[in-house]
Amino acid sequence: NAGVTQTPKFQVLKTGQSMTLQCAQDMNHNSMYWYRQDPGMGLRLIYYSASEGTTDKGEVPNGYNVSRLNKREFSLRLESAAPSQTSVYFCASRPGTSGSGEQFFGPGTRLTVL
Amino acid sequence: GENVEQHPSTLSVQEGDSAVIKCTYSDSASNYFPWYKQELGKRPQLIIDIRSNVGEKKDQRIAVTLNKTAKHFSLHITETQPEDSAVYFCAASNNAGNMLTFGGGTRLMVKP
Repeated sequence: NAGVTQTPKFQVLKTGQSMTLQCAQDMNHNSMYWYRQDPGMGLRLIYYSASEGTTDKGEVPNGYNVSRLNKREFSLRLESAAPSQTSVYFCASRPGTSGSGEQFFGPGTRLTVL
Repeated sequence: GENVEQHPSTLSVQEGDSAVIKCTYSDSASNYFPWYKQELGKRPQLIIDIRSNVGEKKDQRIAVTLNKTAKHFSLHITETQPEDSAVYFCAASNNAGNMLTFGGGTRLMVKP
């Protein structure tokens, strides 16, 4: 099993450009998450999806949109990138649709917005 | 919503010493408390977790304690080794939310 995979690994954008970060998992997990990690601020939840066809806002959703394409894939879109969105983005998944438990993280995407 | 605070932000110990990292949380409904380790340039990985019906849990050199009354929980690493050097994150969650709220992280440095 590849686990949780993310593409791309690195990306540089200019202010105002758009892009989509891709995430896929092959563990048949129901819940998927998008986090951003900034220095000294830990991991902050952007959006999550408890099951195919559902998405919910996390702590910092402004400036982002998500799509749960199917059970395996959960994408994050920046419509008009801003320098404040420079960060490392992590996707994660877990088996359940509710409750709590271990989340499995992808390798991350390092995004720089100039 | 939940707020998790973590201390200290950096911790330096000699190899063989113990390390303790502390977290407090705000939501009394939180009942799941995981700890993640993140090595430089890598993804976070779960090292231990505890649920609110247990006061302490151990796994070899790592232990976590939980005080629900005071709303704080701690990670204890004994006999530290250089490979324990990493950033450690605590988190809290409740059954209703399906979400984790993370602390700000602690950078642990173990000096040989």
